[in-house]
Amino acid sequence: RKEVEQDPGPFNVPEGATVAFNCTYSNSASQSFFWYRQDCRKEPKLLMSVYSSGNEDGRFTAQLNRASQYISLLIRDSKLSDSATYLCVVNMLDDYKLSFGAGTTVTVRA
Amino acid sequence: SAVISQKPSRDICQRGTSLTIQCQVDSQVTMMFWYRQQPGQSLTLIATANQGSEATYESGFVIDKFPISRPNLTFSTLTVSNMSPEDSSIYLCSARLGNTEAFFGQGTRLTVV
Repeated sequence: RKEVEQDPGPFNVPEGATVAFNCTYSNSASQSFFWYRQDCRKEPKLLMSVYSSGNEDGRFTAQLNRASQYISLLIRDSKLSDSATYLCVVNMLDDYKLSFGAGTTVTVRA
Repeated sequence: SAVISQKPSRDICQRGTSLTIQCQVDSQVTMMFWYRQQPGQSLTLIATANQGSEATYESGFVIDKFPISRPNLTFSTLTVSNMSPEDSSIYLCSARLGNTEAFFGQGTRLTVV
């Protein structure tokens, strides 16, 4: 079983729509969670960290469900510029290594 | 935050040769890592670059094939040795400040012919 699993998509949505997707992780001892964005042929860049209470950054909302071991990302009012691959990233407390999901591809169309 | 400069950004190499990729961070960082990313796939960790000691390699990666140096807290190199077409990939340098998020270099797109 992979440490981090994501729905690969693609999610094709019109501008202005809401899109949401999840990521599951296998290790219950995982402590830090992140969503990264990766544009085609570019390096991953941090979109947001995910906190236990959930957090929001503009149009982006992240949630953590420790009981079911998943995190989610919701994008409201999608923009064309939101088209990218979103990587779910998980870290255990005593291990500085990060585990990456395979990514969820989102395409926002005009 | 940290800004990472990685070079070269791309290269086309002959099989059997070696390529050294450099990674320079604009501040001292705790951890540095090297990843490989095949087209359409996620990142696979090659090794953790340890300052002043041998790198820690992940399963499937060995020092003879991917020697790594980290002479100080801001610089690391990854060498891809005796290259074959299977080594064609994107190689990414990454750094972390403790248990915070990771920052990435721009990546090196390697093609082995």
